[in-house]
Amino acid sequence: QVRLQESGPGLIKPSETLSLTCAVSGASVSSGNFYWTWFRQPPGKGLEWIGYFYYNGRTNYSPSLKSRVTMSIDTSKNHFSLKLNSATAADTAVYYCARGGIIPVLWGQGTLVTVSS
Amino acid sequence: DIQMTQSPSSLSASVGDRVTFTCRASQDISTWLAWYQQKPEEAPKSLIYAASYLQSGVPSRFSGSGSGTDFTLTISSLQPEDFATYYCQQYDTNPYTFGQGTKLEI
Repeated sequence: QVRLQESGPGLIKPSETLSLTCAVSGASVSSGNFYWTWFRQPPGKGLEWIGYFYYNGRTNYSPSLKSRVTMSIDTSKNHFSLKLNSATAADTAVYYCARGGIIPVLWGQGTLVTVSS
Repeated sequence: DIQMTQSPSSLSASVGDRVTFTCRASQDISTWLAWYQQKPEEAPKSLIYAASYLQSGVPSRFSGSGSGTDFTLTISSLQPEDFATYYCQQYDTNPYTFGQGTKLEI
């Protein structure tokens, strides 16, 4: 059974880089023609699409975050990662990684990242 | 950005009821629409893609319809496990925006 598990610092300071990894178990991150997607959800609020990394290396990021976002896959560690530079309080959210088509079917459980001094 | 508007924002219903959620896009998105279900403290679950296609494993009591700007998600006979928040998402144009959600309550 394929599982995704997000991990990373739960608390970062403003202006720091938010770095998360999505560990993939039960499958290789390099197998299949999948979209690897990140979403986020501020506490008590709705969902936001951050962007995706397609298996062939093509990326597509939300314009509002594009200047600060990098997504990548590390085949040696079998994980998918998100970096968001220059974090602010507005980036405080539960971050979810997901896999599938453009509409993913497999999700991680999510990880809360708080941006606060 | 394409704005997605869901109505109602909350809905009270009972087990066995038929319920319909509405999602409206601010511009034509063809059928590039998905529906998700999210329960408290859980990740979203994809129910429907391309407006009307059920994801594998989703019960047949869920159905979706619509095209262009107006879409609906219907649950034909509510089950206790269906009480959750439902979101629509367009994936016609980047950024792939969500509606604000409809909370389905008992």
